[in-house]
Amino acid sequence: DAGVTQSPTHLIKTRGQQVTLRCSPKSGHDTVSWYQQALGQGPQFIFQYYEEEERQRGNFPDRFSGHQFPNYSSELNVNALLLGDSALYLCASSSYQETQYFGPGTRLLVL
Amino acid sequence: GEDVEQSLFLSVREGDSSVINCTYTDSSSTYLYWYKQEPGAGLQLLTYIFSNMDMKQDQRLTVLLNKKDKHLSLRIADTQTGDSAIYFCAESREVVGYSTLTFGKGTMLLVSP
Repeated sequence: DAGVTQSPTHLIKTRGQQVTLRCSPKSGHDTVSWYQQALGQGPQFIFQYYEEEERQRGNFPDRFSGHQFPNYSSELNVNALLLGDSALYLCASSSYQETQYFGPGTRLLVL
Repeated sequence: GEDVEQSLFLSVREGDSSVINCTYTDSSSTYLYWYKQEPGAGLQLLTYIFSNMDMKQDQRLTVLLNKKDKHLSLRIADTQTGDSAIYFCAESREVVGYSTLTFGKGTMLLVSP
């Protein structure tokens, strides 16, 4: 049973560019949440997707957007990248009243 | 201020017990979690406790919850060098059966031989 997978593992971008990160949930899970973990910090909730819609959102600007596909996989898009967007981006999957399981993360470096 | 607070660093010797503490602010939290993060890796779920429980034991791990004081602790018995990692406390805010997690900044546990 595959766990949560994320791609790519590492990414380097320059300021102003756009990036897309991908996540496949654990088998049987229908909800995907995205978190940003800056260096030395705990993860911060970005948003959560269920039934292809954004169900809840944290305190992140509109430059951060997402999508969920019919197979429950999800993408996180960040436009107009800033240096401060450099972080580990974590995807977590869950289902109704179940614990969230995290993927290995995508490490994004913005130069 | 922070919703979830943890001490930043703990150093113990191999074989000792480790106790990592956490305080949270949302009394409506339904579950409280402990996650482990090794260098360069994602988050590994260690254990969790339902808010109406006082204690949960899982092999070397013991979680204690004081709901009145909003205090959570994780005790690791017989700590090993492989337990060296960052430990995150998280509270779950649940709405209609789905939840989002609010994390502390993490406690770095260093286990020396």
